Amino acid sequence: EQQVQQSPASLVLQEAENAELQCSFSIFTNQVQWFYQRPGGRLVSLLYNPSGTKQSGRLTSTTVIKERRSSLHISSSQITDSGTYLCAMTGANTGKLTFGHGTILRVHP
Amino acid sequence: EAAVTQSPRNKVAVTGGKVTLSCNQTNNHNNMYWYRQDTGHGLRLIHYSYGAGSTEKGDIPDGYKASRPSQENFSLILELATPSQTSVYFCASGPGSAETLYFGSGTRLTVL
Repeated sequence: EQQVQQSPASLVLQEAENAELQCSFSIFTNQVQWFYQRPGGRLVSLLYNPSGTKQSGRLTSTTVIKERRSSLHISSSQITDSGTYLCAMTGANTGKLTFGHGTILRVHP
Repeated sequence: EAAVTQSPRNKVAVTGGKVTLSCNQTNNHNNMYWYRQDTGHGLRLIHYSYGAGSTEKGDIPDGYKASRPSQENFSLILELATPSQTSVYFCASGPGSAETLYFGSGTRLTVL
């Protein structure tokens, strides 16, 4: 079964600390995306990273295809970074997109 | 920024009633998707479409139908709504196989 596991389930930070979010996959993938969602809000695409390392501002994603994992690093966290971060992968052979359950991030002043 | 608009934003329905959720995208994307989001289950794919006239079953299609009458519009239809279909529903669109998805704001459906 195609599954996406995210860790940690929740994370609490002090403002300016860094965060490391992990995503692992049950099968091989050729597409990985990271999304952000505020409570009650829409999902917003943060990074599309099928392999290697991609950066956008304070966000850096590293995907290692052969190890079936991806990570999202948030540097110098801000209170406005609080919300849920979801990882999604497309199975290399299935073509199906599956989401993880997300990591809830809370950043305190 | 790709625009995906869902309507209504909130809906209360009675058990056994018919519910139609609408989605419109203005970016000429081929692919459109309907997901539901529930605590403990994350996002689950209900139906999707590769273009006008096409609909495909996702992971949890039972109790739902979909309709894609045009490139822009994709509807989710609950012919006989049940309380277990109470959820937040999200529509998304994407340009193709290697794609970033763009989501609507969601529809909160409550079936009493």
